[in-house]
Amino acid sequence: EVQLVQSGAEVKKPGESLKISCQSSGYSFTDYWIGWVRQMPGKGLECVGVTYPGDSETTYSPSFQGRVTISADRSINTAYLQWSSLKASDTAIYYCVRVETTTSPMDVWGKGTTVTVSS
Amino acid sequence: SYVLTQPPSVSVAPGQTATITCGGNKIGTKSVHWYQQKPGQAPVLVVFDDLDRPSGIPERFSGSNSGNTATLTVSRVEAGDEADYYCQVWDGPTDHRVFGGGTRLTVL
Repeated sequence: EVQLVQSGAEVKKPGESLKISCQSSGYSFTDYWIGWVRQMPGKGLECVGVTYPGDSETTYSPSFQGRVTISADRSINTAYLQWSSLKASDTAIYYCVRVETTTSPMDVWGKGTTVTVSS
Repeated sequence: SYVLTQPPSVSVAPGQTATITCGGNKIGTKSVHWYQQKPGQAPVLVVFDDLDRPSGIPERFSGSNSGNTATLTVSRVEAGDEADYYCQVWDGPTDHRVFGGGTRLTVL
C-alpha cells in the first residue's frame, strides 16, 4: 500500500525554525515527485513546491520562493519542508503529496501536519 | 500567473445532479484534476486528466473539459458527497501547479 506518513503537529513562536517530514512507503521513492500543499485556516489549497528525489530538482510556487526549503533524503525515503524563521502567517495545515509527472495529479496525500505559529 | 475560477458554493437536493465549474484561459488545452475534501480530512483525488476516475471512485463522479471551462459532475448526489471540491492544473509556461479557490457542495 502506498503511504505518506507525516510528522506530528508543531507549535512554534515567530522567528523560530522548523522542519517537518513526510516518509513514503509502498513505491519507488526516486521515481515520483513529492510536493507540499498549504491550507491556511478556513482557506483553500495552495501548492508550495515539489522536489524530485531522483535528482533533487526542486521548484517552488512564487508565493513561497525564498520563504521555505524543500528537500529529500533518498536513504530513508523522506521529504522535508523547512522554515528558517517562522511567521504567524505560516500557521496552516501542510500536506505532502505524490506526483508522477509534471501534468499528473496529486494521487496520494498525507494526513497533514498542523503548524501553529503564535507568540 | 494562471488563474482558476470556481463558484464558492453549489447546492443540490439528494438524488439530483451537481455541476461544479472551473474556469481558466484555454483550460481545454490543459489536464484538469479534481479533489474532494471533507471536513477535517485530507483531500482525495476524484477525477484526473479531465475525465478519468481513480479506482474506488464511484461512476457518479465524471468530468469534462473544453474551451475555457472544465466541469465536475456528480450524479445522483448523496449526503456523503457534501464536501469542498478543488480543480487543479499544471501551468506549463510557469511550471507551477495551480488550484482553483474551491467550491462547497451542500446537499439540501
